[in-house]
Amino acid sequence: AQSVTQLDSQVPVFEEAPVELRCNYSSSVSVYLFWYVQYPNQGLQLLLKYLSGSTLVKGINGFEAEFNKSQTSFHLRKPSVHISDTAEYFCAVSDRGHNFNKFYFGSGTKLNVKP
Amino acid sequence: GAVVSQHPSRVICKSGTSVKIECRSLDFQATTMFWYRQFPKKSLMLMATSNEGSKATYEQGVEKDKFLINHASLTLSTLTVTSAHPEDSSFYICSASVSSGLTDTQYFGPGTRLTVL
Repeated sequence: AQSVTQLDSQVPVFEEAPVELRCNYSSSVSVYLFWYVQYPNQGLQLLLKYLSGSTLVKGINGFEAEFNKSQTSFHLRKPSVHISDTAEYFCAVSDRGHNFNKFYFGSGTKLNVKP
Repeated sequence: GAVVSQHPSRVICKSGTSVKIECRSLDFQATTMFWYRQFPKKSLMLMATSNEGSKATYEQGVEKDKFLINHASLTLSTLTVTSAHPEDSSFYICSASVSSGLTDTQYFGPGTRLTVL
């Protein structure tokens, strides 16, 4: 089974500063990678996903992530954050095999953007 | 598009009673729906995969007789927590799967907060 590690449980950052949220996964097999955002009292929304092709993936709200196969990482970045980006962010992984729609989630990173 | 709803959003029940949670895909048909459990400060744990018209597939360690899943139509799946106990208190989230090229994309409901007294 996969395991997904989000090393930072909380990331405080000032508005307009850059941010990177880290995600590492365990599998040596080919995977699909996802980042989801959860605002308070809401469900998870898809930010971006890596399926194939370019390792740099751009998503909604100015976020991007880079797939690094050698480091088994899929870190999420934004060059300039807004107060409205305050939320919890989850990294998820699924295998490319027949269980491709079975997701494994990290424990989440709470991004707290301060004015 | 791709909106998933859950009902109720919050439920409080007494120990020993059963609670049903509904998950609906509002503007699309989902052949597969998933049920997750989210513990405080922890990740989402997949409980089961629900396919329309067939029995759900439960993850290891999840009691299928306690967490009954029914997927009667392409837009509705239900999770029934039978004989609930305080340790079943949690945040339950469903997702519905839509095929999008290489893989499926999962769209998540807003979750249901279950509190068992």
